[in-house]
Amino acid sequence: DGGITQSPKYLFRKEGQNVTLSCEQNLNHDAMYWYRQDPGQGLRLIYYSQIVNDFQKGDIAEGYSVSREKKESFPLTVTSAQKNPTAFYLCASKGARKGNQPQHFGDGTRLSIL
Amino acid sequence: AQKVTQAQTEISVVEKEDVTLDCVYETRDTTYYLFWYKQPPSGELVFLIRRNSFDEQNEISGRYSWNFQKSTSSFNFTITASQVVDSAVYFCALSGGDYGQNFVFGPGTRLSVLP
Repeated sequence: DGGITQSPKYLFRKEGQNVTLSCEQNLNHDAMYWYRQDPGQGLRLIYYSQIVNDFQKGDIAEGYSVSREKKESFPLTVTSAQKNPTAFYLCASKGARKGNQPQHFGDGTRLSIL
Repeated sequence: AQKVTQAQTEISVVEKEDVTLDCVYETRDTTYYLFWYKQPPSGELVFLIRRNSFDEQNEISGRYSWNFQKSTSSFNFTITASQVVDSAVYFCALSGGDYGQNFVFGPGTRLSVLP
């Protein structure tokens, strides 16, 4: 079955440590997105990528980095510069470069500080 | 700039009641698309429906129905005869731009259906 796989489901970070969240899709989608969701809040866009080897900052990119070396993969690194990383992170992808396509989401990764 | 407003932060209803979730949007695009997503307690977002800006026909899917009105920039979602399994956070979203790159989510409405 096609879909989006995020791993790990739960992740713990120590102070000063960088951690990487994985997002893989086998939907052959061009566009991929990373969102952050804090408890009881909506989605905030961190980074997005419309095509391989290209990505743009979203509304809250500071303290995060991404890469898009393959169409299927869009990993997110939470760096030590992100002082409040505890949140639920959602990865999404969208097929075709058209507005009528919905975003499809993974199951999310919950990141906590140790 | 695009914006989606969901004025209802939280709604509680008793099972079997009907409930309407409001969504108001702002956009300068002449062609745009509206979406509703459901986020159950497990966390994943589930796509429910898409509506094109040039199609104002209402849609019904089982107990779910959607009312799109361009005149009031609204895309409201009604659940008829609500069930406990409908308890979730519901997000309205708007997509615009030539490639749909302007994808904006509303803040969400938390629906609690009590037995």
